[in-house]
Amino acid sequence: GAVVSQHPSRVICKSGTSVKIECRSLDFQATTMFWYRQFPKQSLMLMATSNEGSKATYEQGVEKDKFLINHASLTLSTLTVTSAHPEDSSFYICSASGLADHTQYFGPGTRLTVL
Amino acid sequence: DQQVKQNSPSLSVQEGRISILNCDYTNSMFDYFLWYKKYPAEGPTFLISISSIKDKNEDGRFTVFLNKSAKHLSLHIVPSQPGDSAVYFCAARRGGADGLTFGKGTHLIIQP
Repeated sequence: GAVVSQHPSRVICKSGTSVKIECRSLDFQATTMFWYRQFPKQSLMLMATSNEGSKATYEQGVEKDKFLINHASLTLSTLTVTSAHPEDSSFYICSASGLADHTQYFGPGTRLTVL
Repeated sequence: DQQVKQNSPSLSVQEGRISILNCDYTNSMFDYFLWYKKYPAEGPTFLISISSIKDKNEDGRFTVFLNKSAKHLSLHIVPSQPGDSAVYFCAARRGGADGLTFGKGTHLIIQP
């Protein structure tokens, strides 16, 4: 099956620092990658959609200058949380699609804790 | 505004019986629906999907039913096994390249 990896799986940082999360499709080329966020006991919420080589499309309410997304190749997308604050602490999950039916396959997620 | 609703936060089913998880949606533009299984601190695992042009899709123990007129879909798992215990998310999308809109999930507990 389609495999998506994320790195790191867990990160703790100080308030004001920036954190980069990588998302890779390991066995297929992902034309589109998505970034989601899940707060405790809540559902996954779509943050942004990125297509290889073009600018990401952000959902309403998501600050594009705070959550920088780069999709430089068909197997790699990165999410950088800039000047992180405690309220940014969450579970960040990426997904990738590129197969014929556009099914999204999810990475294992990254737990971000901002102190 | 919750466009995808899973009204049962939890469901307990005896091992070997059928588990039925329900999902309702409000956006008539959704054309593809998916079910994911998720464990804590892990990403969702794809289970099964259905296009809006169909009313049923089956894959092994999993069957998804879609009732477009009622804007309702359900996931049937039979027979239920202990390893099925997890949170199940219903998701929908409007087009092939769109992101997914998720429900809040139903925690399925399979009792021995």
